[in-house]
Amino acid sequence: EAQLVESGGSLTQPGGSLRLSCVASGFTFNTQGMNWVRQAPGKGLEWISYISGSSNYIYYADSVKGRFTISRDNARNSLYLQMHSLRADDTAVYYCARARGSSVKVMWFDPWGQGTLVTVSS
Amino acid sequence: QSVLTQSPSASGTPGQRVPISCSGGSSNIGSNPVNWYQHFPGTSPKLLIYNNSQRPSGVPDRFSGSKSGTSASLAISGLQSEDEADYYCATWDDSLNSLVFGGGTKLTVL
Repeated sequence: EAQLVESGGSLTQPGGSLRLSCVASGFTFNTQGMNWVRQAPGKGLEWISYISGSSNYIYYADSVKGRFTISRDNARNSLYLQMHSLRADDTAVYYCARARGSSVKVMWFDPWGQGTLVTVSS
Repeated sequence: QSVLTQSPSASGTPGQRVPISCSGGSSNIGSNPVNWYQHFPGTSPKLLIYNNSQRPSGVPDRFSGSKSGTSASLAISGLQSEDEADYYCATWDDSLNSLVFGGGTKLTVL
């Protein structure tokens, strides 16, 4: 069974940096695209970023472009999200999710991790 | 403001059929398949429907999806109390080069 476990969320000050991790198990990690999705308190789901299995294709939402970097280490079955210049509106639960489907234009997310909470506050 | 528009809330009584709509445009729903997710607050979202109308194994056939033009719909028949959750549509947007979610619909079982 495919499983994802996130970690790295914490309280950090505005302008700070944080790195989230997501460890995958139960599937061939290096063949699957991966995503980060977040949910701010009281808000809906927001897609953040996608990375292909070989890291050849990477996409970001405009809201994080230039501040966040997605990466992966296939040898460690791990996905990362490096976050810089954090703002209060980055406060959210961050989920990693496996991409299924033949391309980003048709992809769906399954499974999702349990989420890790990032709080940006002074 | 979400690119995909969903009604913020929907409701029904046990046994009823409830539709949840998702409206977009030519660059998103009009061009790419729609997926639906069920989310109970405090838990991980769960895939409900993919490729407009396909159900993953384990999802009851009470849940069905459809798409027409620039709109998509999720229908829940034989409504049950455990269906009370938030429902999100999602698809790729060719203009934004991003995946977009609808704002979500909170389903209440009366």
